[in-house]
Amino acid sequence: DQQVKQNSPSLSVQEGRISILNCDYTNSMFDYFLWYKKYPAEGPTFLISISSIKDKNEDGRFTVFLNKSAKHLSLHIVPSQPGDSAVYFCAASGTYKYIFGTGTRLKVLA
Amino acid sequence: SQTIHQWPATLVQPVGSPLSLECTVEGTSNPNLYWYRQAAGRGLQLLFYSVGIGQISSEVPQNLSASRPQDRQFILSSKKLLLSDSGFYLCAFVAGGYTGELFFGEGSRLTVL
Repeated sequence: DQQVKQNSPSLSVQEGRISILNCDYTNSMFDYFLWYKKYPAEGPTFLISISSIKDKNEDGRFTVFLNKSAKHLSLHIVPSQPGDSAVYFCAASGTYKYIFGTGTRLKVLA
Repeated sequence: SQTIHQWPATLVQPVGSPLSLECTVEGTSNPNLYWYRQAAGRGLQLLFYSVGIGQISSEVPQNLSASRPQDRQFILSSKKLLLSDSGFYLCAFVAGGYTGELFFGEGSRLTVL
């Protein structure tokens, strides 16, 4: 039973345009959501998070949106840069656990 | 500052051999500790987590085990490795008494032959 899903395994975006990565969850007990960036053979790096009491959080080029009724969150990267190319994981947290999605590989084309 | 280290970085082991991966955290007390595995081309699977010394919660039944002998030390073990245990193992922590960002270690690449 996959509680956190990223249905798009890959995404290609032109440099300077917006990248939108999506994530769905099933467990309504999750109350904290995070996005991570990962390169091969390295640990994931934290990007941005959002609490369930908010619907938007912004940090520089990164914005996370949370739609609790739809159990959906998204990460917007504007403008996208070639250095953003990596695998992005969403995670949902509740009762000490952090459950990750399967990841979306983002490729930003120069 | 808070840091996390895990070792060894790379390990090649024969089937049936034992395993020990170690992780230590510095700069915080009573962290929540986690072990994840990323199999080839897959997502991050939660294996174990611990909210205190000697307290281990297992998420996936398998031939792996975890122990927390000290507040900031987390060990992943196996008595007999299987081919399916190959993968990239990641230790992570959340600062004590806090729900927030999960910090990851550098990862350990395990290849079982």
